[in-house]
Amino acid sequence: LAKTTQPISMDSYEGQEVNITCSHNNIATNDYITWYQQFPSQGPRFIIQGYKTKVTNEVASLFIPADRKSSTLSLPRVSLSDTAVYYCLVLMNRDDKIIFGKGTRLHILP
Amino acid sequence: NAGVTQTPKFQVLKTGQSMTLQCAQDMNHEYMSWYRQDPGMGLRLIHYSVGAGITDQGEVPNGYNVSRSTTEDFPLRLLSAAPSQTSVYFCASRTKGARQFFGPGTRLTVL
Repeated sequence: LAKTTQPISMDSYEGQEVNITCSHNNIATNDYITWYQQFPSQGPRFIIQGYKTKVTNEVASLFIPADRKSSTLSLPRVSLSDTAVYYCLVLMNRDDKIIFGKGTRLHILP
Repeated sequence: NAGVTQTPKFQVLKTGQSMTLQCAQDMNHEYMSWYRQDPGMGLRLIHYSVGAGITDQGEVPNGYNVSRSTTEDFPLRLLSAAPSQTSVYFCASRTKGARQFFGPGTRLTVL
């Protein structure tokens, strides 16, 4: 299994851009990087998925360097409602399991 | 589409009791999974299935059984509840290589 490492917690302020970096040193050629968001008392929700370079959607951007050993989730102009736990996962095409790590607890301050 | 549904939302059991947590999805997804989440912790995979009739163990399978007789349903059975199984249980479904959709969760307390 491709193990991921991300910060345990982060604080930021409303209106700031927040970048959460995840390392995944043993990612394989056909694996994808996926990020989920979880609010208290809810199931995780898919945010974004990418393979290389940059992916952007209406919620976030995902930056993946050429070596793909890390990735950065970027949340533009965060608000208090972005306070949540963010999970970085490697989606392995050769495996059927999706394993979650401990995630990053993001706290947005006013 | 209702997505992924779970019942019940809340359940209290006594030690030694058995019960089944229900999970259903209407998206025709081949893959379904059960996770548990303890307070302040990440999700841990209990069991998963890649299609009807096929199941496999995840990270923490002890004390739980699953079956997958149809594509839509993936029930999780607690054989003899223990206080250590107090947790929130999430069911999820997806197609291969795609994002996972989660149910609203079942909050289980074992006394």
